[in-house]
Amino acid sequence: FILTQPHSVSESPGKTVSISCTRSSGSIASYSVQWYQQRPGSAPTTVIYEDYRRPSGVPDRFSASIDSSSNSGSLTISGLKTEDEGDYYCQSYDSRNHVVFGGGTKLTVL
Amino acid sequence: QLQLQESGPGLMRPSETLSLTCTVSGDSISRSGYYWGWVRQPPGKGLEWIGSIYYSGTTYYNPSLESRLTISVDTSRSQFSLELSSVTAADTAVYYCARHLRVELFDSWGRGILVPVSS
Repeated sequence: FILTQPHSVSESPGKTVSISCTRSSGSIASYSVQWYQQRPGSAPTTVIYEDYRRPSGVPDRFSASIDSSSNSGSLTISGLKTEDEGDYYCQSYDSRNHVVFGGGTKLTVL
Repeated sequence: QLQLQESGPGLMRPSETLSLTCTVSGDSISRSGYYWGWVRQPPGKGLEWIGSIYYSGTTYYNPSLESRLTISVDTSRSQFSLELSSVTAADTAVYYCARHLRVELFDSWGRGILVPVSS
């Protein structure tokens, strides 16, 4: 299966932006979705796990959900800050324990 | 605090076999429920899962790489390793080692190692 994300999104500081992640096959509800933030030159860090859970230290401006009707997940960042800029990747897996990352979305806060 | 450190060659020639090792410190590589994986990122591109291993030796490979790939674990040294045969320029990437909870959450990453493949 593949996970499809928009190539890029942009929004102004203080606004809200959402990034989608559509699963091509297999139910989005059957395999958890994780979201990672990656800044240039750094390894990814987790901002969401198990569809909607936030690791400690991640601000509650970050939220996520899944939608079975569209077989997709969505990451929402509210009250955008310039420090939120970076690449965001969704990730899930299948019944054979094969891991898949989405293609990544470049977030620009302008 | 868990730390992962990749080590390997600085440059590869086409057709060679890439060997990378990840050394785990700060926690047990045999901790139940945790897998140890490799993820790569070509310059300017996205993340690609390569494969993962459990401390028992059970492996899961990306089907697109499986024919060239071997991942192994040495619990006595707290290390796991990757071997990728017949490399080409398309294998040029930053290679990350990472821990993931069950199959799902990659919760700790190494800093990554850039492996160029060039003649």
